[in-house]
Amino acid sequence: KQEVTQIPAALSVPEGENLVLNCSFTDSAIYNLQWFRQDPGKGLTSLLLIQSSQREQTSGRLNASLDKSSGRSTLYIAASQPGDSATYLCAVNGNDMRFGAGTRLTVKP
Amino acid sequence: DTGVSQDPRHKITKRGQNVTFRCDPISEHNRLYWYRQTLGQGPEFLTYFQNEAQLEKSRLLSDRFSAERPKGSFSTLEIQRTEQGDSAMYLCASSLQGGFEAFFGQGTRLTVV
Repeated sequence: KQEVTQIPAALSVPEGENLVLNCSFTDSAIYNLQWFRQDPGKGLTSLLLIQSSQREQTSGRLNASLDKSSGRSTLYIAASQPGDSATYLCAVNGNDMRFGAGTRLTVKP
Repeated sequence: DTGVSQDPRHKITKRGQNVTFRCDPISEHNRLYWYRQTLGQGPEFLTYFQNEAQLEKSRLLSDRFSAERPKGSFSTLEIQRTEQGDSAMYLCASSLQGGFEAFFGQGTRLTVV
């Protein structure tokens, strides 16, 4: 059974900092890995999808990497802004889709 | 396309009552997932469908929970004899196929009093 772990559980940074969120998974037999953002009380918004054959995917200030063999992915956020404050979730897509517990990010003005 | 739609958005029910939630996936999406999320936790997998076939169910899906997708389009999740521990956000997602990008609805927040 796929186990997904996200570190850290919470992160607080001043505006403008670059930051890295980590996701690890136990079973490398995956199709892809997807990063989501969730605002309080809301559904999930897809940020980036990395196929298992890819190493990296970029969208604006976000960059996600994937090392399937070691079971790791990182989400890099450049020049963080207060509007980035949210919970970030990674989901590993194999036969089904399994989530980590998320990293709660606070960006202070 | 309006995305994944869930109804209702909020439901308050008394303990012991039955509730049913509906999910309308993005049209032509064959894969449909249900998740439960409690405060401060990531979404917990409940079940998924490929078209009308229910391919996997979590052990979290006790005999009080049942899900259907009768025509391979919308899906319903029913909880019988609700308990306070069922209070959570219930999320639905769909994707074109397994392994493709998944899109989530806004969720149904259930409160059992």
